[in-house]
Amino acid sequence: ETGVTQTPRHLVMGMTNKKSLKCEQHLGHNAMYWYKQSAKKPLELMFVYSLEERVENNSVPSRFSPECPNSSHLFLHLHTLQPEDSALYLCASSQPGGRRHEQYFGPGTRLTVT
Amino acid sequence: QKEVEQDPGPLSVPEGAIVSLNCTYSNSAFQYFMWYRQYSRKGPELLMYTYSSGNKEDGRFTAQVDKSSKYISLFIRDSQPSDSATYLCAMRIQGAQKLVFGQGTRLTINP
Repeated sequence: ETGVTQTPRHLVMGMTNKKSLKCEQHLGHNAMYWYKQSAKKPLELMFVYSLEERVENNSVPSRFSPECPNSSHLFLHLHTLQPEDSALYLCASSQPGGRRHEQYFGPGTRLTVT
Repeated sequence: QKEVEQDPGPLSVPEGAIVSLNCTYSNSAFQYFMWYRQYSRKGPELLMYTYSSGNKEDGRFTAQVDKSSKYISLFIRDSQPSDSATYLCAMRIQGAQKLVFGQGTRLTINP
């Protein structure tokens, strides 16, 4: 596997379910990101981890809980979601420092909340 | 007012045409300017980036930044059907982790 991988690619969950999204990067990067992409809206940054430490949390509801056990893996734990949380969730990674704009994205998880 | 404004399109042009994609922004502190391309059912991929003002060329693609007007452009010459995608502009303040994205412009090149 190369680049940034995400599983599952598609997820349908009820509002009372608990599920997790997984991201893995094979690029040797030290920073990882979760974004939300909704129709007709710009990409929204949710969380940033740098060297496994959360450095940014963009006022995301607590029903989204990130976890970064090491620099290659990132999880997004989901519970009691709302229908408006249906979106494409993208993971990205980058080198820290001056090359943070060179973010490499995974293919995303298409989430539908019913 | 949004920090970054980008016309979502859709934009449809014939093969071989010159395409111009644009974004405007309001925060004068932005120093890094990026263009990402996103194909259907894929994540965005970095196409080009420019630091501060000026032009940058890479093959058929040219990125321009005009900081005085807070306006950035991406030009695609000799457009190909394989260029059909959504193009996202993004910007970053020096020292910040966060990229601020435009809404994206959906582009279709017709053979």
